[in-house]
Amino acid sequence: GEDVEQSLFLSVREGDSSVINCTYTDSSSTYLYWYKQEPGAGLQLLTYIFSNMDMKQDQRLTVLLNKKDKHLSLRIADTQTGDSAIYFCAETYTGRRALTFGSGTRLQVQP
Amino acid sequence: GAGVSQSPSNKVTEKGKDVELRCDPISGHTALYWYRQSLGQGLEFLIYFQGNSAPDKSGLPSDRFSAERTGGSVSTLTIQRTQQEDSAVYLCASSFRAGGRVEQYFGPGTRLTVT
Repeated sequence: GEDVEQSLFLSVREGDSSVINCTYTDSSSTYLYWYKQEPGAGLQLLTYIFSNMDMKQDQRLTVLLNKKDKHLSLRIADTQTGDSAIYFCAETYTGRRALTFGSGTRLQVQP
Repeated sequence: GAGVSQSPSNKVTEKGKDVELRCDPISGHTALYWYRQSLGQGLEFLIYFQGNSAPDKSGLPSDRFSAERTGGSVSTLTIQRTQQEDSAVYLCASSFRAGGRVEQYFGPGTRLTVT
């Protein structure tokens, strides 16, 4: 079955770049997503990438996809304290509606 | 416009009682999903509704769990004879089709505690 894995914790200093990594096992994955969850809040869709792309940039966010290695990363440039949250990687494939989520990476930004 | 709303935000119940959790999706969204987030875990898919099609119940963990969606809008997730392992945050999401891409918008969740 599908499996999505992430490291549990990342700590960076304010102003540095953060890189959150994710690996997945399903080779038929067609869409990969990054969601952000702030304390006490629901999940907020940050960005997504289609499997025929290898990079997508959206303001401070850069998503890199290595389909051969089934590796996805989210880079946050100039990380701010407001970026402190849990970041979830998720994937799905054409024809399947539910998302498979990783267990989330807690990003802590130190001032 | 309004996002996905869920009620109650918190629910404490005794083991063995039944609970109902409600989800109001974004107006116009045809798909509705329920997920469960246990402490320190990722989200676990429970059930999916799409229009008038039969729901995808493949993620429901036991027959104590059921859900319905009335009029293609509001959904209720029911857990019968609750157990302590049912304690989790139950998240609802809705989506529209955008080409082949599915963007799910999540509600704030209902935190269920079974004592």
